[in-house]
This record gives sequence, C-alpha cells and structure tokens, in this order.
Amino acid sequence: GQQVMQIPQYQHVQEGEDFTTYCNSSTTLSNIQWYKQRPGGHPVFLIQLVKSGEVKKQKRLTFQFGEAKKNSSLHITATQTTDVGTYFCPRLTSGTYKYIFGTGTRLKVLA
Amino acid sequence: GAGVSQSPRYKVAKRGQDVALRCDPISGHVSLFWYQQALGQGPEFLTYFQNEAQLDKSGLPSDRFFAERPEGSVSTLKIQRTQQEDSAVYLCASSLAHYDSSYEQYFGPGTRLTVT
Repeated sequence: GQQVMQIPQYQHVQEGEDFTTYCNSSTTLSNIQWYKQRPGGHPVFLIQLVKSGEVKKQKRLTFQFGEAKKNSSLHITATQTTDVGTYFCPRLTSGTYKYIFGTGTRLKVLA
Repeated sequence: GAGVSQSPRYKVAKRGQDVALRCDPISGHVSLFWYQQALGQGPEFLTYFQNEAQLDKSGLPSDRFFAERPEGSVSTLKIQRTQQEDSAVYLCASSLAHYDSSYEQYFGPGTRLTVT
C-alpha cells in the first residue's frame, strides 16, 4: 500500500540555524500539503504543491515538490523561536476519505 | 471572517458519562472531518462528512462514538460511556470542497476531553 514517511521525527536547532524536513512517498502523489501545529495549538495550513519540481517560498520557508512527485521538503532558513512546532505532510489514503497525518516532525529552537 | 469554532473548549467527564462535542464549520464548507489527537501524536482521522452525508466513519474507535451533521453545517461528536482512553483533544476541520479536490482543511481550536 501507499507508504509516506516523514523525517526526521525530532529536530533541535540553535536559533539562526537552518532546518529541513522531508516527506517521502512510495507512490506518486497528486499533490502535497504542509501544515504546522504550534504547541497547544491546532494544525494550520501552510501550502499546497501540485506540479512536478515546484518550488514555493514563504519568507524564510521554502517548499519543494520532487520531479517524480514522490517526495517533498520544507526548508526553514535562519530559524526563529516562532518556528517551534510540529510540521505535517498529511496524505489521503487511496480510495478512502481518510487523511493520515502521522507524527510529523517536531522542531525545537534553542535561543 | 469567522473560522471553525468548537465547544466546549475543555470538558472533564467522569468515566461512564456521555459527552457531546460541537463543531461549527466555516459557512459554505462542504467537507467536515473529525480527528482525535493524543498527547505527542498527530491527528488521527475519525470520520468524514460531505454535507450531511457521513461517507467515512472507519476511524471511529468503537460503537461508543457517534457523529452527525444533520443539516450539513454544524456537527456533533458524541461519546457514550466515556473511558479513560478517550482522553484526548478532538479536532474538527472543514474544507471548501469535496475531499478529492485537495482544498486545505481549516481546523478548529479543539476540545480537550479529560476522563477521570
């Protein structure tokens, strides 16, 4: 069946360092979405990528969709304490209405 | 405009009590999802509505869990005879279009349920 892995599960960085999280799928994805959940908060939509090789930027965040549409990355340049949270790339289980969020990547930024 | 709202925000129930959690989605949103999120975990899918039709309830953990959306707007998640393992944050999310249109989900603040 469709397998999507998100790595790493945890990352601690010093404030100002860069950070990258990856979503890797065993099958081709039609699109990919990224969400962020701050501690004590709820998931908030960040972006959706649809096209092969697509790159989108939001200030210090850069999102990329692989050429084969099987992987995606979220890169944060010069992390700040406001970047703390868990980042998810949920996927829709084929043939169902079920979105799988997984455990995401939990980012901690040390000041 | 108003986002997704949920009530109550916090609920403490004694084991065995019934609880009802309410979700008010964004007006006009066709899709509505319920998720359960345990501490340190990602949201786990419970059920999906397209308008008033419950098209997927495969994530409901037991027959003690019941959800409805009778008029295609407000939804209620009911848990009967609560157990300690039901303690979690229950998140509701709505989306403008059908599930396969890949529109983003807008989440409510959640209801934190504690069963004592």
